[in-house]
Amino acid sequence: DTGVSQDPRHKITKRGQNVTFRCDPISEHNRLYWYRQTLGQGPEFLTYFQNEAQLEKSRLLSDRFSAERPKGSFSTLEIQRTEQGDSAMYLCASSSPPRGTQYFGPGTRLLVL
Amino acid sequence: AQTVTQSQPEMSVQEAETVTLSCTYDTSESDYYLFWYKQPPSRQMILVIRQEAYKQQNATENRFSVNFQKAAKSFSLKISDSQLGDAAMYFCAFALTGANSKLTFGKGITLSVRP
Repeated sequence: DTGVSQDPRHKITKRGQNVTFRCDPISEHNRLYWYRQTLGQGPEFLTYFQNEAQLEKSRLLSDRFSAERPKGSFSTLEIQRTEQGDSAMYLCASSSPPRGTQYFGPGTRLLVL
Repeated sequence: AQTVTQSQPEMSVQEAETVTLSCTYDTSESDYYLFWYKQPPSRQMILVIRQEAYKQQNATENRFSVNFQKAAKSFSLKISDSQLGDAAMYFCAFALTGANSKLTFGKGITLSVRP
């Protein structure tokens, strides 16, 4: 069990650029979640996968955001045409039934200039 | 929709003393989980303790214990024998049972530990 990993850990980009983040869950976990955390706040749910199927998306996930989990293993989160308001920590978590406890990765901190 | 409220933004405790962090939540569901997560500065979010709503017995994990009051929708965390390494942001979180057990978090509380 190597834990949840995320790459990159930090990303600085200019407004209007596209960015992509990767999450590798714990290997036997079939559920994967993305959250966004702004400074001084709790994480907010963005989207959820069970295996390769994206089963729920938050209203926070605008059309500029897309997430995939093509083979039910790692996941990517892409933000197109980034805006300054997208600056945040993007957290990935994974879990497996029946207990369903979510284990978090270290996050990707995004700064949009 | 579920909500989680942590009304204390900051707390401080003397090393070796006991501190209690408060959390209330609102839901119309009867079957759910409650969690406390710890997030040290610039470090990963880690699970502190978990409580199943159907269990009347309060969860404990070493120095950490909870006071779960289902009727009052209250879920406080008690940290005994506080250590310097306990200094962090603590988040209370709620999840329904079932397929999408997404977490709903409170705003968090910053705990400092005085040596």
